[in-house]
Amino acid sequence: DIQMTQSPSTLSAFVGDRVTITCRASQIIGTWLAWYQQKPGKGPKLLIYKASTSESGVPSRFSGSGSGTEFTLIISSLQPDDFATYYCQHYNSYPWTFGQGTKVEIK
Amino acid sequence: QVQLVESGGGVVQPGRSLRLSCGASGFIFTGYGMHWVRQAPGKGLEWVGVISYDGIRKVYGDSVKGRFTISRDNSKNTLYLQMNSLRTDDTAVYYCAKDASPGAITYLDNWGQGTLVTVSS
Repeated sequence: DIQMTQSPSTLSAFVGDRVTITCRASQIIGTWLAWYQQKPGKGPKLLIYKASTSESGVPSRFSGSGSGTEFTLIISSLQPDDFATYYCQHYNSYPWTFGQGTKVEIK
Repeated sequence: QVQLVESGGGVVQPGRSLRLSCGASGFIFTGYGMHWVRQAPGKGLEWVGVISYDGIRKVYGDSVKGRFTISRDNSKNTLYLQMNSLRTDDTAVYYCAKDASPGAITYLDNWGQGTLVTVSS
């Protein structure tokens, strides 16, 4: 199985900060990677797919990059609504796996 | 708009069975693969399995293989998860999620709100 490792596990930041979350795959997955945002008590929301393509309606401050085994989610200017947990997920082959999550907290 | 509504969760004893349902609306259900993903309390997301748009192909995660079965009734726009031989570590919120591309298996573009399953004696 492909293992997905996110860093950091927790991140404290101010509104307006630039935030970077990293996801590493244990095998090459091309660009078959998605990023999701989850708020407490809610189902996840798709942000990015194919490593760098933004889902319709997602604010432009969210961007993704990477290929192969190294991927990054960037929030260019953190907003109050962005405090949540973020997950990466590969869809290169079954079984799909998720990163362990990155919780973005208010500093 | 797409709506996915899970139901059927509750408290069940170890070794027993439970069936979850997911009602879908707002899209052509028969055209899309559907997934189950679970989340143990305070933990991350775990992919459970997928069923193709036509119900023919099914793939499961290792932790549920042989115990869980995914099915769908395209006439009722409903997805199911039959869970047998439940264990305490199956305790989780179970989400159904829609595949993004018609007729293919890709990423998940819509999720339900989840239903909680608690396995406890």
